[in-house]
Amino acid sequence: SAVISQKPSRDICQRGTSLTIQCQVDSQVTMMFWYRQQPGQSLTLIATANQGSEATYESGFVIDKFPISRPNLTFSTLTVSNMSPEDSSIYLCSVPSRRTQYFGPGTRLLVL
Amino acid sequence: AQKITQTQPGMFVQEKEAVTLDCTYDTSDQSYGLFWYKQPSSGEMIFLIYQGSYDEQNATEGRYSLNFQKARKSTNLVISASQLGDSAMYFCAYFMNTGFQKLVFGTGTRLLVSP
Repeated sequence: SAVISQKPSRDICQRGTSLTIQCQVDSQVTMMFWYRQQPGQSLTLIATANQGSEATYESGFVIDKFPISRPNLTFSTLTVSNMSPEDSSIYLCSVPSRRTQYFGPGTRLLVL
Repeated sequence: AQKITQTQPGMFVQEKEAVTLDCTYDTSDQSYGLFWYKQPSSGEMIFLIYQGSYDEQNATEGRYSLNFQKARKSTNLVISASQLGDSAMYFCAYFMNTGFQKLVFGTGTRLLVSP
């Protein structure tokens, strides 16, 4: 099984600022995913991050708002740019494995 | 696009009883997988059980089992002998076996286990 850590675990930010969330995996993985969970809602995929290529974004998400880096096979970052209160969510990274997908503990973001 | 439906926003069960959480999906894919996750109030997503579309038997993991009805496109989670610690949100998720491996989630069911 994969062990995934995220930093920070939570943060409170002012609108208009940016926050970078880190995701570290204890093994090398080709694909990493970033999900958003708005309050009281289900999880929605933001983008797929492959090492060595640009991230692939889902409909409704754009690179300018959610830039992603994937410098190696164990690490990725998601930046939430120019934040507004609507960005208040839990952000989770995940990695696939045989017959499952493991999630990080999540980053709880509150934008004031 | 695949649509995952969980029609029960909330369920109540007494401790030690069994409970079934419903999930249906809409797809034309032949090869796919279905996951169930538990999300306690801490926010973490805990993997519970997986069912592949070509699996011949319903999946079982400890107190968790699936009632997988492929023709009806449903995969209901059965939790036996409920415990207080089972109180959480439960999400059903669909996975298409194309290599992209992304998950599409249902809206979730909040389970409350009472003493």
